Amino acid sequence: EPEVTQTPSHQVTQMGQEVILRCVPISNHLYFYWYRQILGQKVEFLVSFYNNEISEKSEIFDDQFSVERPDGSNFTLKIRSTKLEDSAMYFCASTKRQGGDEQFFGPGTRLTVL
Amino acid sequence: AQTVTQSQPEMSVQEAETVTLSCTYDTSESDYYLFWYKQPPSRQMILVIRQEAYKQQNATENRFSVNFQKAAKSFSLKISDSQLGDAAMYFCAYRNAGNMLTFGGGTRLMVKP
Repeated sequence: EPEVTQTPSHQVTQMGQEVILRCVPISNHLYFYWYRQILGQKVEFLVSFYNNEISEKSEIFDDQFSVERPDGSNFTLKIRSTKLEDSAMYFCASTKRQGGDEQFFGPGTRLTVL
Repeated sequence: AQTVTQSQPEMSVQEAETVTLSCTYDTSESDYYLFWYKQPPSRQMILVIRQEAYKQQNATENRFSVNFQKAAKSFSLKISDSQLGDAAMYFCAYRNAGNMLTFGGGTRLMVKP
């Protein structure tokens, strides 16, 4: 069964460094998402992406964040200058359509900012 | 803005028994979707069941069923014949016609043998 994959599974970085989190969505999906989950807190929406554009983003997704689909298979989340509070689990998801379609989630990347 | 509330941080059920997880939500929209996701210790979230708001009939998937009360904005999950593999975090989520999923805080379900 096709699945969403994410790399790395765990990333440790120093505050102020740039990180890129990578995701490979399911191949025939068209809508892509990033969510994050700070330890012990809710899963929070960051951004959705469709047709090579951001279609929706939350207040969390500020200028420090960017997303890209560089090669038609990968979907990346870049954090330009990491802060301690960026430490969280980051989940990628994808879906064929909007609305009621199931969002398929990847296993997550645990980001630790020191 | 939509909010989703799960009032039970933890629940416990005996194997083979039935358990109900609560979820309430707040929205001014009439057209939306509701989901229950399961997050086992491996951390990958898996869809358990989904409900379209325009459907009055409660969704059912094998041992999992929902009690959807649109007027009360309530969406509870019932797990029948609980199994050890059901132990996980369960998240209730809301989605409008767009893209964004709004999650509740989660309920940790423990299943006792």
